[in-house]
Amino acid sequence: AQTVTQSQPEMSVQEAETVTLSCTYDTSESNYYLFWYKQPPSRQMILVIRQEAYKQQNATENRFSVNFQKAAKSFSLKISDSQLGDTAMYFCAFMKQVSYNNNDMRFGAGTRLTVKP
Amino acid sequence: NAGVTQTPKFQVLKTGQSMTLQCAQDMNHNSMYWYRQDPGMGLRLIYYSASEGTTDKGEVPNGYNVSRLNKREFSLRLESAAPSQTSVYFCASRSSGLAGVGYQETQYFGPGTRLLVL
Repeated sequence: AQTVTQSQPEMSVQEAETVTLSCTYDTSESNYYLFWYKQPPSRQMILVIRQEAYKQQNATENRFSVNFQKAAKSFSLKISDSQLGDTAMYFCAFMKQVSYNNNDMRFGAGTRLTVKP
Repeated sequence: NAGVTQTPKFQVLKTGQSMTLQCAQDMNHNSMYWYRQDPGMGLRLIYYSASEGTTDKGEVPNGYNVSRLNKREFSLRLESAAPSQTSVYFCASRSSGLAGVGYQETQYFGPGTRLLVL
């Protein structure tokens, strides 16, 4: 079974600075997807960024980028120019690539990020 | 575009009571999921439905039943609630689409239902 580990339960960063959240995973699959989700106090899960395992290029979405190291099974999230609105829980998630019947999306325990003014 | 909606937003039950959590999506997705979120444990899959008319157990199915009423709706039922089922429940649906080489897939989540079982 796949497992996702987020080793940093809590982190903080000063506004406008850069912070990196860590995630490692364990799988025997060769094709899969990795995600970072943001959960603000409203509890809604918001997709931040997605990475396909077959792509060597790291995904980027505005201030958010990932460092995907497939051999090391590492998937870290970098937030540049941190903003107060980035304060939230961040979850790393793994999903197998299955053509139709997909039952397996595994989440890490989360990292609580606080952006300080 | 409403996306994924869930009702109710908050519910208090007594031990032994039953209730159904409702979920609907308007994105024409085939796959739908129910997760529970507990402190320090991320999200865990309860049940999923790959398509209308099919359902399968996830990681933590005990104490729950589901029903895929149609393509839009996927409900989660607690027949006899227990305090261990106090949690936040999320429904999700999955998109998949061919984009260039391979598929791009993402799950979209509802706003969650907070359930307290006394």
